Amino acid sequence: EIVLTQSPGTLSLSPGERVTLSCRASQSITASYLAWYQQKAGQAPRLLIYGISSRATGIPERFSGSGSGTHFTLTISRLEPEDFAVYYCHQYGNSPLTFGPGTKVDIK
Amino acid sequence: EVQVVESGGGFTEPGRSLRLSCTTSGFNFGDYAVSWFRQAPGKGLEWIGFIKSKPYGETTEYAPSVKGRFSISRDDSKGIAYLQMNSLKAEDTAVYYCSRGVGGYYNWFDPWGQGTLVTVSS
Repeated sequence: EIVLTQSPGTLSLSPGERVTLSCRASQSITASYLAWYQQKAGQAPRLLIYGISSRATGIPERFSGSGSGTHFTLTISRLEPEDFAVYYCHQYGNSPLTFGPGTKVDIK
Repeated sequence: EVQVVESGGGFTEPGRSLRLSCTTSGFNFGDYAVSWFRQAPGKGLEWIGFIKSKPYGETTEYAPSVKGRFSISRDDSKGIAYLQMNSLKAEDTAVYYCSRGVGGYYNWFDPWGQGTLVTVSS
């Protein structure tokens, strides 16, 4: 099983700031099968990024993904009020599919 | 508009069974995989299992935590996927989500339904 570790656990930031979230895998991710999801309180997860760096339909350009092998990042170039949420990385190339524990981005 | 809607959740006792439905609209259901996930109260996301589309043999796979107790099936004529949950345990208490699998054999998942709550307690 591929274990995903996300850091930090919580980030307290202000609107307008740039944020970089980290996701590390216990072994190399198959091909580019790494995605990021956003989840707001009381809501379902929403796909942001798939294939490491491809933005899902309707996702603003301020969200970008990068990385390879075992280290991946999600960057939000300039935080908007609606971006305060929990972010999960997810690998879908090896069964069992797994998620990281999430990084909570909250308002400072 | 692509939509997935979960239903069938509720309260049940340990050892009992429950079947959840994932009703879809807005796309050709038969062309896509479907996966189920869950989220225990205050916890993160957990993958439960998936069923591939017919071109991929309707292959199913499950997480170790539910293998042998849960099963996923699909009815392409109705655009519905099912999650049959047997021998339920207290630790199965969670919000259960379904999602459409996109991208060939290896899928990312979009969109997700709003979820249905399953509570297992004596």
